[in-house]
Amino acid sequence: EIVMTQSPATLSLSPGERATLSCRASQGIISNLAWYQQRPGQPPRLLIYSASTRATGIPARFRGNGSGTDFTLTISSLQSEDFAVYYCQQYNNWPPGYTFGQGTKLEIK
Amino acid sequence: EVQLLQSGGGLAQPGGSLRLSCTASGFTFSDYAMSWVRQGPGKGLEWVSAISRGSGIGTYYTDSVKGRFIISRDNSKNALYLEMNNLRDDDTAVYFCAKEGPHSPDHFDFWGQGSLVTVSS
Repeated sequence: EIVMTQSPATLSLSPGERATLSCRASQGIISNLAWYQQRPGQPPRLLIYSASTRATGIPARFRGNGSGTDFTLTISSLQSEDFAVYYCQQYNNWPPGYTFGQGTKLEIK
Repeated sequence: EVQLLQSGGGLAQPGGSLRLSCTASGFTFSDYAMSWVRQGPGKGLEWVSAISRGSGIGTYYTDSVKGRFIISRDNSKNALYLEMNNLRDDDTAVYFCAKEGPHSPDHFDFWGQGSLVTVSS
């Protein structure tokens, strides 16, 4: 099973600042990686797929990059609605199944 | 507009059973693989099960639910199901149905609202 490791676990920043979230796969997954945002009490929302393609309706301040084992999600200028938990997910190793990172909580400083 | 409307869930005793449903609209349901993903209390996301597009001949499960959960689909009703048997305390979670993208395997581009399953005596 591919293990996805996200860092940091918690990121404390102020609105307007730049956020950089990391995700590392235990083995190469090419670009088969997605990022999701989850606000409290809500289902996850797709932000990025294929490591760097923004989903429909996602603002340009969200940018994903990376390939192989190391990936990043950058939010260029944080808005109040961006403070949430972010998950990465690999879909390269199939079967046996999809795996998610443990999440990064982006909180207001 | 793509929508995934979930129903089912609730309280079950250890060893009991529950059935979750997910009704899809806004897309050609039979053209897409579907999955169930769960989230334990205060925890992260865990993929549970997937079913292939079309007739759903391909079904897949995470190890912890193999032999206990059954995923199925009824394309005539645009519905996805998860039958959960021999429930355990650690199955307590919010369960989400999720639509996969156009390729399989793929990311999840739309999610249901979630169904709470509580396993407790």
